[in-house]
Amino acid sequence: NAGVTQTPKFQVLKTGQSMTLQCAQDMNHEYMSWYRQDPGMGLRLIHYSVGAGITDQGEVPNGYNVSRSTTEDFPLRLLSAAPSQTSVYFCASTMGQGNTEAFFGQGTRLTVV
Amino acid sequence: KNEVEQSPQNLTAQEGEFITINCSYSVGISALHWLQQHPGGGIVSLFMLSSGKKKHGRLIATINIQEKHSSLHITASHPRDSAVYICAVRIPGSARQLTFGSGTQLTVLP
Repeated sequence: NAGVTQTPKFQVLKTGQSMTLQCAQDMNHEYMSWYRQDPGMGLRLIHYSVGAGITDQGEVPNGYNVSRSTTEDFPLRLLSAAPSQTSVYFCASTMGQGNTEAFFGQGTRLTVV
Repeated sequence: KNEVEQSPQNLTAQEGEFITINCSYSVGISALHWLQQHPGGGIVSLFMLSSGKKKHGRLIATINIQEKHSSLHITASHPRDSAVYICAVRIPGSARQLTFGSGTQLTVLP
């Protein structure tokens, strides 16, 4: 049981480049989320999904796209990277909307130059 | 004002000391999570609380729903406890899952 697998662990992009951060979970969780973590600000929600085919915006969605074609996968796409997107990104999943434990990926440290 | 406030932001302790990290929140919640993040590492769930107290090894978490306050205690602290500790709350009816505090950086010196 791998839990939440997030790749890559590190990435450097040039301004304007695009890329996809991968997130997969093998726990059959309905809810998946993407967060960014910046110094002094805590984790902020980018996008989330309550099930396959359903996604919604979080607090800081601009510049990011997501899709949820399967229960297992929830990729995050940066359309045209900007230095302001330099951050650490975390994917998380939970069973549902009830009080259940949250599982996090290992994080992706992204630098945009 | 953040819905979830943690204190202190930074904490340095000597090995063996008793440590307390505090979390206050301003909204109604259905559960509160304590998470741990080691340097360069992922985030691990330590506790999920909706009332009372939970204990796991040297870690104790308490919550007072009326006062909207939770504490994470570490007894007999050790350098391996050095990490960022994050408080997060689940707001009922919200599909956004968790709202996070900004974290407490704990350093335990040998």
